[in-house]
Amino acid sequence: DIVVTQSPDSLAVSLGERATINCKSSQSVLYSSNNKNYLAWYQQKPGQPPTLLFYWASTRESGVPDRFSGSGSGTDFTLTISSLQAEDVAVYYCQQYYSTPQTFGQGTKVEIK
Amino acid sequence: EVQLVESGGGLVQPGGSLRLSCAASGFTFSSHWMSWVRQAPGKGLEWVSSIKQDGNEQFYVDSVKGRFTISRDNARNSLCLQMNSLRAEDTAVYYCGKVNENTAYRHIDSWGRGTLVTVSS
Repeated sequence: DIVVTQSPDSLAVSLGERATINCKSSQSVLYSSNNKNYLAWYQQKPGQPPTLLFYWASTRESGVPDRFSGSGSGTDFTLTISSLQAEDVAVYYCQQYYSTPQTFGQGTKVEIK
Repeated sequence: EVQLVESGGGLVQPGGSLRLSCAASGFTFSSHWMSWVRQAPGKGLEWVSSIKQDGNEQFYVDSVKGRFTISRDNARNSLCLQMNSLRAEDTAVYYCGKVNENTAYRHIDSWGRGTLVTVSS
């Protein structure tokens, strides 16, 4: 199984400041035949189901604000919130869909400092 | 608009059974793989199972193999998860998810609100 590890487990950022979340997979999720990274990012606000932020590691889902960005390739990925807003308080998860079982990271809780 | 509505959760004793359902609308159900993902109280997300468009291929996480069965009824736009021999560690909110495109190896682009399963005596 591919193990997906996020860091940090939690972070507190001031409003308007940058938040950076890292995601590392135990093996590459880059599929050579199409040069796509099989990695998604989800946001989960308290009491709500997850919602999709990014797929293919860096393709923003429709409606996601452009202060959010996804980057990385192979085994190392990053979700960045360039200017944290109050509504961004949530837990963020990365997920690899390269192989089954499709594993999630443990989540990163983002709070306001 | 895609809608996924789970039902069937509740309190069940260890060793018991429960059948979850997911009613889908707003998209061509028969064209998509579908998945179940669960979340134990206060914990992270865990993928549980996925099923092909025609129901002829399924994947499961090891911890539920032989106990859970995923199925679908394309005529009714319905996804099911039959859960047998339930354990305390199966306690979780169970989410129904629509897999993007027509292959298992894609992200989940829509999620239901979930249904809570509690396994306790």
